[in-house]
Amino acid sequence: KNEVEQSPQNLTAQEGEFITINCSYSVGISALHWLQQHPGGGIVSLFMLSSGKKKHGRLIATINIQEKHSSLHITASHPRDSAVYICASGGGGGADGLTFGKGTHLIIQP
Amino acid sequence: KAGVTQTPRYLIKTRGQQVTLSCSPISGHRSVSWYQQTPGQGLQFLFEYFSETQRNKGNFPGRFSGRQFSNSRSEMNVSTLELGDSALYLCASSPGLGSYEQYFGPGTRLTVT
Repeated sequence: KNEVEQSPQNLTAQEGEFITINCSYSVGISALHWLQQHPGGGIVSLFMLSSGKKKHGRLIATINIQEKHSSLHITASHPRDSAVYICASGGGGGADGLTFGKGTHLIIQP
Repeated sequence: KAGVTQTPRYLIKTRGQQVTLSCSPISGHRSVSWYQQTPGQGLQFLFEYFSETQRNKGNFPGRFSGRQFSNSRSEMNVSTLELGDSALYLCASSPGLGSYEQYFGPGTRLTVT
């Protein structure tokens, strides 16, 4: 059974700080997803990774398949980045449903 | 392309009733997955449909069921509602075989009273 662990569970930082959220999973996967959820809002998919590194604006996601570990980085953090960040791992083609971490509650203070 | 749509967005039901939620995937996508999000359990996988066939199912009781139509639209049904079924229900669409991407809809917020 795949288990997904995220750390930290809660993170409060000042605007402009570099943020790192970590995710570890227990079994080999085909893809790892990073999702964002604002309070009361729906879920937005930020990244889907199967290897290496991806960058979108101030967000960077990396994955180490051998170590079964992924990180989400936010550079020059801003209060609008305040949200819950969730990692999820799963198989390919939707044949296996995603297994989710419990999420990291991020608050960026101005 | 239009994104994943879910209807209704909000719903209030009474214990013992049943409810049907709808999900329209992105045009051309053949796979639809359903997820439940609760404060206590977080996000959990319900089931996944591909080309009208259920391919995988999470650990939920038989009160939770779903189906997919030939146009890839999917519905999920919950019968004999319980208070604990109050949750955000999300669907996600995927192109299908060989694709790992999932695109999430806005969700349906179900409240059971």
